[in-house]
Amino acid sequence: DAGVIQSPRHEVTEMGQEVTLRCKPISGHDYLFWYRQTMMRGLELLIYFNNNVPIDDSGMPEDRFSAKMPNASFSTLKIQPSEPRDSAVYFCASSPAPGMISETQYFGPGTRLLVL
Amino acid sequence: GEDVEQSLFLSVREGDSSVINCTYTDSSSTYLYWYKQEPGAGLQLLTYIFSNMDMKQDQRLTVLLNKKDKHLSLRIADTQTGDSAIYFCAEGDYTGRRALTFGSGTRLQVQP
Repeated sequence: DAGVIQSPRHEVTEMGQEVTLRCKPISGHDYLFWYRQTMMRGLELLIYFNNNVPIDDSGMPEDRFSAKMPNASFSTLKIQPSEPRDSAVYFCASSPAPGMISETQYFGPGTRLLVL
Repeated sequence: GEDVEQSLFLSVREGDSSVINCTYTDSSSTYLYWYKQEPGAGLQLLTYIFSNMDMKQDQRLTVLLNKKDKHLSLRIADTQTGDSAIYFCAEGDYTGRRALTFGSGTRLQVQP
């Protein structure tokens, strides 16, 4: 398996523009997670899905952020409009199912976002 | 709520042992993990321990768990420059009803 795939790997945009980050989880994994990592705040869980359904979005910073998972093999995280403080590395992770050691999460390589 | 804390930074000399510490608050934690993040990459699972274990050894890695004090440590023997990375502690409960809770990460710097 290719692992969790994220695109783009790097994104530079101007304040006010819409940004869409994409993730393809590992095939067969039921859970998908979106994280944001910054120097100031460390690793933050934004939202996670179980079987394409959002379970906990309490970490989503504000209404400018939205996430969707239209099917088991694809998810998007959208920021509209983007602001400089959204600059961070955004990680997607997936895991098979809870209750087993397989609860281990497998992380993608991340998307490095810079909003000017 | 759940909370996981780690020190931010550790510097050691090549060949020495490194010990990275972590404390957590949730007594229902069942799985405790150590992840490694190399520069420019995502997090990778290093090792894990169940809460009914005190110790787990895996080659150069030793994980110690003090469940009473809710303290977890990762010891890396014979630390190499390639071990320089950020190490994250994470905990999860057996029900799987919530996502893993990660610490803020400890940056390990290995001096040659």
